[in-house]
Order: sequence, then structure tokens, then C-alpha cells
Amino acid sequence: GENVEQHPSTLSVQEGDSAVIKCTYSDSASNYFPWYKQELGKGPQLIIDIRSNVGEKKDQRIAVTLNKTAKHFSLHITETQPEDSAVYFCAANPGYSTLTFGKGTMLLVSP
Amino acid sequence: EPEVTQTPSHQVTQMGQEVILRCVPISNHLYFYWYRQILGQKVEFLVSFYNNEISEKSEIFDDQFSVERPDGSNFTLKIRSTKLEDSAMYFCASSEGPGLAVEQYFGPGTRLTVT
Repeated sequence: GENVEQHPSTLSVQEGDSAVIKCTYSDSASNYFPWYKQELGKGPQLIIDIRSNVGEKKDQRIAVTLNKTAKHFSLHITETQPEDSAVYFCAANPGYSTLTFGKGTMLLVSP
Repeated sequence: EPEVTQTPSHQVTQMGQEVILRCVPISNHLYFYWYRQILGQKVEFLVSFYNNEISEKSEIFDDQFSVERPDGSNFTLKIRSTKLEDSAMYFCASSEGPGLAVEQYFGPGTRLTVT
């Protein structure tokens, strides 16, 4: 089955800095890679996703890159703000209905 | 904006008791899921459901679990005889339909505490 590794487990940045979270996956059949943001006491919220036919996708301050050859994908947040503080999960969909999640990254943005 | 809703937000039960967790998926969605998240750990897939039957299930989803769509709006997860290790957040999710690379939208979760 699919295995998703996520690093780092925690990330502390100053407001205005950039943050990068990296994930690797094992199943070459995976073709969909969403990122979720989870705030305390809430469910995961889809913030951006990328499909295997695209190498990069951007939405305002958030971007995701995908390297299918190396089987890794990354989330980039620029100009971080305190409200970006949350746990971020990457996930991979190996071609059927399930999502396999990484272990999460706790992002702390200090004012 | 349409969203997935779940009730209750917190359920406390004694070991051995049956619990039913309820979800109302987004109205035009056809594919439904349950995931769980043990405190401090990653989100784990339990089961997917489409066209009134289970599509896929993980090894976690054993005989004590069952799912049902009792009417046109609700989707339920039943745990027949709860164990201490069933304590977790349970998330329902839905997506527009079957197929590859379809966005899944999650509800706020039900925190299940088994004592």
C-alpha cells in the first residue's frame, strides 16, 4: 500500500518568513496529492491540491510542487501570518478512493 | 458554502457499548468516507461508501464497525462493542463522485471517548 512520509514534524517561523513542508510517497500509481490544514478542534480543511500531470500549482501565498520521478511533493507558504499556524497534512491518492495521510507538520508562526 | 456536518461533537461511552456517529455529507456528493485520528497521530482511512455499499475498507475496519446510509441525507458509522483503543476523533468526508483525483471535504469530527 501507499506510504507517505512528511517532514518536518514541527516548524517555527517568524511572521513574514516562508515555510516549506515536504512529503514523499511510495506508490508510483498515486496521481493526486492534496494538502489539508487542521486547526485545533476542527476537521482537516483542503487548502490546495495537485494532480500528477502538473508540476506546480499556486494559489495566492500557497504553492505546491510535485516531482513524480523522485516521488516527492512540497507545500510552500510565503509571507506567513499568525493565522497560518496549524497542523498541515499532506496526502496521496494511489488511484482509488482512499487518501493516505502523512503524520502532519505543526506550523507555528510567531508575530 | 456547503459543508459536511457531524453529530455529536463529543461522545463519551463505556467499554462494550454501541455507538453511532452521524454525518450529513454535502448534498450533491455521492461518495462518502470515514476516517479516524487518534490523539496526536495522523488521519487514517477506515471505509469508503458509494451507491449504498462499501467500496473499500482498511484493516482497521473490522467486524465491530458498520456503515449505513439510512436515508437520503445521513451517513452513519456504528461501532458495535467499543474498546478503549477506539477513542479517537472520527471524521466523515464526502466527494462528488467516484473516480480518480477527486477532492474530499471533511466534517469537523466527533470526538469519541471510551472509558
